[in-house]
Amino acid sequence: EIVMTQTPATLSVSPGERATLSCRASQSVSSNLAWYQHKPGQAPRLLFYGASIRAAGIPARFSGSGSGTEFTLTISSLQSEDLAIYYCQQYNNWPRGLTFGGGTKVEIK
Amino acid sequence: EVQLVETGGGLIQPGGSLRLSCAASGFIVSTNYMSWVRQTPGKGLEWVSIIYSGGSAYYADSVNGRVTISRDISKNTVYLQMKSLRAEDTAIYYCARGKDPTYFDFWGQGTLVTVSS
Repeated sequence: EIVMTQTPATLSVSPGERATLSCRASQSVSSNLAWYQHKPGQAPRLLFYGASIRAAGIPARFSGSGSGTEFTLTISSLQSEDLAIYYCQQYNNWPRGLTFGGGTKVEIK
Repeated sequence: EVQLVETGGGLIQPGGSLRLSCAASGFIVSTNYMSWVRQTPGKGLEWVSIIYSGGSAYYADSVNGRVTISRDISKNTVYLQMKSLRAEDTAIYYCARGKDPTYFDFWGQGTLVTVSS
């Protein structure tokens, strides 16, 4: 099973500042990676697939990058509504399973 | 408007059975990939099962043989039948849609399943 590790577990960022979230795969997943945003009390929302392809309706302040084993989700200018837990998910070895990272909680400082 | 509404969760004793439902609106489930993903306190998010538009189904190793995914086209609803439930099946179960079988472009808000005596 491919293990996805997200760091840090919690990230405190001031409004307007940049937030950088990391996701590492235990083996290469090429660009077969998605990012999700999960706000309290809401359904998770797809942010990116293919590591860097922005999903419909996602603001431009969000960007995804990386390939292989190292991936980054960047929020260029954090807004209060970005308070959420962010998850990465690999899908490189489908149908042998899909795996998620443990999440990074973004807090507003 | 695309909407997924999960129902059927609750408190169930170990060894029991439960059927979860996911009612979809705003799109047709039979032309999409429909999955169940669960969130547990200990393991985070875990993919559980998927049903393809053609009807093929796949399951995570952790639930294989104990769950069955199905759909009712007339009701535009997807189901997850679970049996031989264990404490470790306690989770919020989300229904999710995919235009691709490998990631999920729309999720419901989930239904809580608690397995406990």
